Amino acid sequence: ETGVTQTPRHLVMGMTNKKSLKCEQHLGHNAMYWYKQSAKKPLELMFVYSLEERVENNSVPSRFSPECPNSSHLFLHLHTLQPEDSALYLCASSLRQGNTQYFGPGTRLTVL
Amino acid sequence: AQSVTQLDSQVPVFEEAPVELRCNYSSSVSVYLFWYVQYPNQGLQLLLKYLSGSTLVKGINGFEAEFNKSQTSFHLRKPSVHISDTAEYFCAGSLADSGNTPLVFGKGTRLSVIA
Repeated sequence: ETGVTQTPRHLVMGMTNKKSLKCEQHLGHNAMYWYKQSAKKPLELMFVYSLEERVENNSVPSRFSPECPNSSHLFLHLHTLQPEDSALYLCASSLRQGNTQYFGPGTRLTVL
Repeated sequence: AQSVTQLDSQVPVFEEAPVELRCNYSSSVSVYLFWYVQYPNQGLQLLLKYLSGSTLVKGINGFEAEFNKSQTSFHLRKPSVHISDTAEYFCAGSLADSGNTPLVFGKGTRLSVIA
């Protein structure tokens, strides 16, 4: 499935940097998601947007800030991250919540 | 589904042998169920899904799964695995007729195919 793209694919940042992850889908979906996948841990749902409104925020630290300017784009703004935030960040979209989710390839983030 | 449990964190199997990856869910209402595969350094790819109808669902790469309501299970099977099937497999579920709840994922099962 190549309907969901993520950029960049790899990112290395220092703890004082500010960076953004981008996700884009052209599948006509109305729901978009951010997940965090750390080594040896379950997939963690971070944020859910439905029709451009945030509908779920699973106790994610404020150093992660999502933005959904339209139904095709989703951003994750990062600032003052910690080394334990190093992980694979996955974006997904679905026609609506509960439907089949289609995933992007992920951004491998390393925080030094 | 309100929760999804994958009982095995790792499953080693020899090439050309059959494999079954187990998944159980808990829900008092109808559910949709999914299996995803993740190859190294990639996102999750949909293998197959059960929404309604026939309880035996066929997916890509020769995989199939059977929905068993009485046992609340959705086990994934393949009669003969290849080295290329080595990957992480995730079971997921959501409440049917809801549309307001995201998928719930299991913790994943790492399938290692041995030559």
